[in-house]
Amino acid sequence: QSALTQPASVSGSPGQSITISCTGVRSDIGAYDYVSWYQQHPGKAPKVVIYEVNKRPSGVSNRFSGSKSGNTASLTISGLQAEDEADYFCISYTSTTTRYVFGAGTTVTVL
Amino acid sequence: QITLKESGPTLVKSTQTLTLTCTFSGFSLTTPGVGVGWIRQSPGKALEWLALIYADDTIYYGPSVKDRVSITKDTSKTQVVLTVKTMDPVDSATYYCIHTSLNTGWYVFDSWGPGTLVTVSS
Repeated sequence: QSALTQPASVSGSPGQSITISCTGVRSDIGAYDYVSWYQQHPGKAPKVVIYEVNKRPSGVSNRFSGSKSGNTASLTISGLQAEDEADYFCISYTSTTTRYVFGAGTTVTVL
Repeated sequence: QITLKESGPTLVKSTQTLTLTCTFSGFSLTTPGVGVGWIRQSPGKALEWLALIYADDTIYYGPSVKDRVSITKDTSKTQVVLTVKTMDPVDSATYYCIHTSLNTGWYVFDSWGPGTLVTVSS
């Protein structure tokens, strides 16, 4: 059982915007701005698309954006494209001894 | 450019010890704030972090494996080695080597190796 809760799947049509939620507790997402999001295509390693809640690494499309409210972080993909079809994971730092907590992943389908 | 590459056996037997090596380039594991670690992914998709070692030799272990795992670094060879004792079929997964740096982003795994699939036979 994952410590962070994500929806199993989200879908959208090309050009639309979708949002993936990631819910934790006060000791992780609620306490720190250390949430990162990773995109994983089938058979490939994950790749970071957002870190520290809303920062985008160099080379990542500005269609990806992140936010946080309370114990929930969100990843928004705007102008959905076929290449965005992938699994997305959230990871957060936690003050507990586990240090990192993970979401189970969300499958994004482009209709 | 940071690159990481995992190497080791693809098949191990139950109760055996798994040893994986991560060979990296593009950064130094002597730079303060830099770390290299391991994350695995089960066939069902879930990610699980295993171990992390920083340049200052600080080590952290993931909660589910901390009693069976160890991590060491060889900065001269630019390698990090993960050892997991008493392997079980449930440890079958793709094992990824990752890079993290407090200098470029806090608690983010900014580079990943391609991964290596390890199967544990009973």
